Amino acid sequence: AAGVIQSPRHLIKEKRETATLKCYPIPRHDTVYWYQQGPGQDPQFLISFYEKMQSDKGSIPDRFSAQQFSDYHSELNMSSLELGDSALYFCATTNGGEYNEQFFGPGTRLTVL
Amino acid sequence: QKEVEQNSGPLSVPEGAIASLNCTYSDRGSQSFFWYRQYSGKSPELIMSIYSNGDKEDGRFTAQLNKASQYVSLLIRDSQPSDSATYLCAVIHSGGSNYKLTFGKGTLLTVNP
Repeated sequence: AAGVIQSPRHLIKEKRETATLKCYPIPRHDTVYWYQQGPGQDPQFLISFYEKMQSDKGSIPDRFSAQQFSDYHSELNMSSLELGDSALYFCATTNGGEYNEQFFGPGTRLTVL
Repeated sequence: QKEVEQNSGPLSVPEGAIASLNCTYSDRGSQSFFWYRQYSGKSPELIMSIYSNGDKEDGRFTAQLNKASQYVSLLIRDSQPSDSATYLCAVIHSGGSNYKLTFGKGTLLTVNP
């Protein structure tokens, strides 16, 4: 079965640079969630989109923005990168349904030097 | 106090034994409960979902939910070394149309051959 696709899988940036992470949902999944997982931490919710509209916002810095496009893929844009932004970034997608089971992509490992 | 609590472990069991993982949550109105397995450096993999009080079995895995006690558990029967991973309990809280996952810090399980 098709899974969630994320790109790039690894990204190395310098401080103050920008980064763009992409997420391609499982076919027919219309909702995307972004999570950040620091070393030794549990995933923390950043932001979500349903039908191309932002549906919820968590602990996402103002330096970050995101959107969902007409084909339901989503992009997380990160500017003025800081060392503390180094983490695994996952997107998870769902088609809603009664239980809203979320399926995670393989993640993007961002390293800020 | 974190909204979802898990024993961080590590939990070590011999191969073939039953591993028992526990999770408590603070929001009494929480509606959906999930167990994810996460290997080091990989993405969370959904292994069980449970929404109603009682037990739910899927192969070697059994999830148990007790909403009155705000408690959810995962039993892994006939544990295998390949089960060695961090197990994340996740909850969807009640209210509105926001279905973000809130995770516990995870329990590290080691199955010894």
